[in-house]
Amino acid sequence: SQQGEEDPQALSIQEGENATMNCSYKTSINNLQWYRQNSGRGLVHLILIRSNEREKHSGRLRVTLDTSKKSSSLLITASRAADTASYFCATGTDKLIFGTGTRLQVFP
Amino acid sequence: GAVVSQHPSRVICKSGTSVKIECRSLDFQATTMFWYRQFPKKSLMLMATSNEGSKATYEQGVEKDKFLINHASLTLSTLTVTSAHPEDSSFYICSADPSAALWTNTEAFFGQGTRLTVV
Repeated sequence: SQQGEEDPQALSIQEGENATMNCSYKTSINNLQWYRQNSGRGLVHLILIRSNEREKHSGRLRVTLDTSKKSSSLLITASRAADTASYFCATGTDKLIFGTGTRLQVFP
Repeated sequence: GAVVSQHPSRVICKSGTSVKIECRSLDFQATTMFWYRQFPKKSLMLMATSNEGSKATYEQGVEKDKFLINHASLTLSTLTVTSAHPEDSSFYICSADPSAALWTNTEAFFGQGTRLTVV
């Protein structure tokens, strides 16, 4: 089963633009994680935000968490063609469940 | 960071045969490992939780006799797809949980994935 929905399902932007992806989840959480997956490859961990945190930054990534709305967002600033990938949020307590994912395409 | 090694990365097998996929934690002990399945352009679906020394816990709708999981040591879990059919073709990924990571707020560690093609 999926933990929740991500939107948009697909996003196409030009290099230099910002990309925002949203994730909603269903249950209480200890933390929420974001992962990137290049086509046909394994997962790359991007960032983990704890349930008592509201915002976290890592390089060009900014993640927010709103536990009252059970939602999180991932912002990639100044996107690059190399950011083209699928992005997934994941959370859970005794097992990690993934959202439906957003396929990001960044055109040079 | 911790390393999880999954083998093989690709496998092609004939219908009716069985295929074993290994997931190893290389620099930590993992009492719990997770197995996921991913269809093209879809998300990861949790198949089962593998517990060292005990039976795996399967998610609803996953056939335990079809997908045999063995977690015989603290560093190795195996997934065997038995009597494979073309519809079993998919990308399978394992994850290892060092020291109950989900509670200690650390990332989960994933293998590189195995692309299974059944012909």
